[in-house]
Amino acid sequence: QKEVEQDPGPLSVPEGAIVSLNCTYSNSAFQYFMWYRQYSRKGPELLMYTYSSGNKEDGRFTAQVDKSSKYISLFIRDSQPSDSATYLCAMKETSGSRLTFGEGTQLTVNP
Amino acid sequence: GAGVSQSPSNKVTEKGKDVELRCDPISGHTALYWYRQSLGQGLEFLIYFQGNSAPDKSGLPSDRFSAERTGGSVSTLTIQRTQQEDSAVYLCASSLGRQGAEKLFFGSGTQLSVL
Repeated sequence: QKEVEQDPGPLSVPEGAIVSLNCTYSNSAFQYFMWYRQYSRKGPELLMYTYSSGNKEDGRFTAQVDKSSKYISLFIRDSQPSDSATYLCAMKETSGSRLTFGEGTQLTVNP
Repeated sequence: GAGVSQSPSNKVTEKGKDVELRCDPISGHTALYWYRQSLGQGLEFLIYFQGNSAPDKSGLPSDRFSAERTGGSVSTLTIQRTQQEDSAVYLCASSLGRQGAEKLFFGSGTQLSVL
């Protein structure tokens, strides 16, 4: 079983829709939770990060972490065609250096 | 350049040949990571460098894989006697090397195809 599970999609939505992306994990030592966005033929870029449980909002993006359920989410409001990309969740323990990534969800926002 | 640079961007090789992949991190970044991205597998951690030392090389899949970093900067990932299952995108990332929620800056990767 993978430490981090993420539905690979693909997910296709109309422009303006609210998008919900999710990951579950099994390692209770994870304390840092991140979302990376990856455009085709490019490396991932950090979108948002959250420490421990709670919510964080940045413009149209909201990240949520529920450590009791080992479940994290990324919400995109008023989705735009430019949001079309693969979204990867990533997690990290307090000590240690490596990020553990989910498989990534491929999102297409149709105009 | 300002970002992480990887070369070559594409590499096609024959099974059994050795390949070298290069990564130029962002200047001043002490931490450097290699990841592998395969279809259906997501990003798989390979190795982490802090300066020139590799405190975590636990992700290297076999002894055919090795990596080095010289001068605290450029890193080379070497795959010996390549196999078809080595075909993937190899991504390099660098960061400031701080604890906590480190922001990793990724290169665009090297697409390796083993025929």
